[in-house]
This record gives sequence, C-alpha cells and structure tokens, in this order.
Amino acid sequence: GAGVSQTPSNKVTEKGKYVELRCDPISGHTALYWYRQSLGQGPEFLIYFQGTGAADDSGLPNDRFFAVRPEGSVSTLKIQRTERGDSAVYLCASSLTLDTPNTGELFFGEGSRLTVL
Amino acid sequence: GESVGLHLPTLSVQEGDNSIINCAYSNSASDYFIWYKQESGKGPQFIIDIRSNMDKRQGQRVTVLLNKTVKHLSLQIAATQPGDSAVYFCALAGGTSYGKLTFGQGTILTVHP
Repeated sequence: GAGVSQTPSNKVTEKGKYVELRCDPISGHTALYWYRQSLGQGPEFLIYFQGTGAADDSGLPNDRFFAVRPEGSVSTLKIQRTERGDSAVYLCASSLTLDTPNTGELFFGEGSRLTVL
Repeated sequence: GESVGLHLPTLSVQEGDNSIINCAYSNSASDYFIWYKQESGKGPQFIIDIRSNMDKRQGQRVTVLLNKTVKHLSLQIAATQPGDSAVYFCALAGGTSYGKLTFGQGTILTVHP
C-alpha cells in the first residue's frame, strides 16, 4: 500500500488478556518504530527495528510488552496480561533509513486504539 | 532526562491570521527538531524540521525558528486556514536514530472561518 497500515484500528479487551497489534510499513522502508500515545499526550517511543533486529527497545514499559519483525517488513507488538493502564493508541511508523533527516523522516500509520476494560 | 513542553495548550485564530505555536525543550544535545501535525483519528504528519546548526527554516506557509540560547522552538503558520486545525507537536531527535523522537505535549490549533 501507499502508507503505513495498522490493524486492528480498534481493539477492546479485558484486563489480563493477550493482544497483538500489527503494522505493515511502507514497502522498502528498513526502519520501523512503535510509539504509544495516551489521551491528550504526545507519542512516546517504545521500540524501533532496523531490518529484523530490535535496535533499541528502551521505551518498552515492562516485560509484558514485546515486538517482533521476523522478515524485516511486517511487525507485531504483543502485550501480555493487559492492564487498564495499557489503554492508548499504539502508533507505528516507518522510515527509509535511520541515518539522515531526509531519509529518516517518519511516516506514521493511523494507529491501533487499545481499550482494556 | 529529556523533556519537551509547550507554553500554550490551545490556540484559536481567525482564518487568514498568522499563528505561532511555541515549544520549550531541555535537552541541549538534540540536533534535530521537527514539527508534526495530527488530525483527529490520524497519525502525526511531518510538517517541517530544522537542524541545530540553523536558526530559521521556511517551508510553504510555515516557518520554524530555533533559539538554542533559551532552548525554544516555534512554528509560524502564515494565512492560517480551517484545514490547519489540528494538534501540533514539536519533537526532538538525536542519537542513534532520527526516528527515535521525544514529543512535546501538543497545542490544539482551532481556526475559525
């Protein structure tokens, strides 16, 4: 597709359940990022990938959160034992490379809104 | 750690006026500053960026000013239009990836016809 695609757009789950959020980046983009945006706040960095490997996961809040990108394209953010505080919009972004402002510009998807009841 | 803040959470202007959105930051090591626009239900959209070795950069109807002495960033929108209504975020980058950003809280811009 032309842009970053995220599914599902909305996910409602119960406390304690497991969820997966999917991101399909722009074709050819080597870098992929996950951010989390709470209501009324700016996005917060979670993790980014260069190719298949997680280059920096310092933003993941705890070990309930995990992300993979096994083939260097699609990525899945996985949240175990969800808590009400996990409710937020999870944004995915991709960029052509990591390195320079011109090629490192981020293109965001529309996000997956997660609600934990 | 890094922090980014905004002076005004909301800004209302009339169509055709110029708008100025401000951002204060604390991390003097940042070398790349970016403004994003976010419409309701959508992801942030890149507007304009500026490197730390510059103090002004212009785009189409937008200008970003950087004052490193007081750690202040601003976005000026000329001839504001109703389509400019959105939340505007400043963001800082620096380090291993230009995509690892620290975002400010955001300013809500409302443009009245």
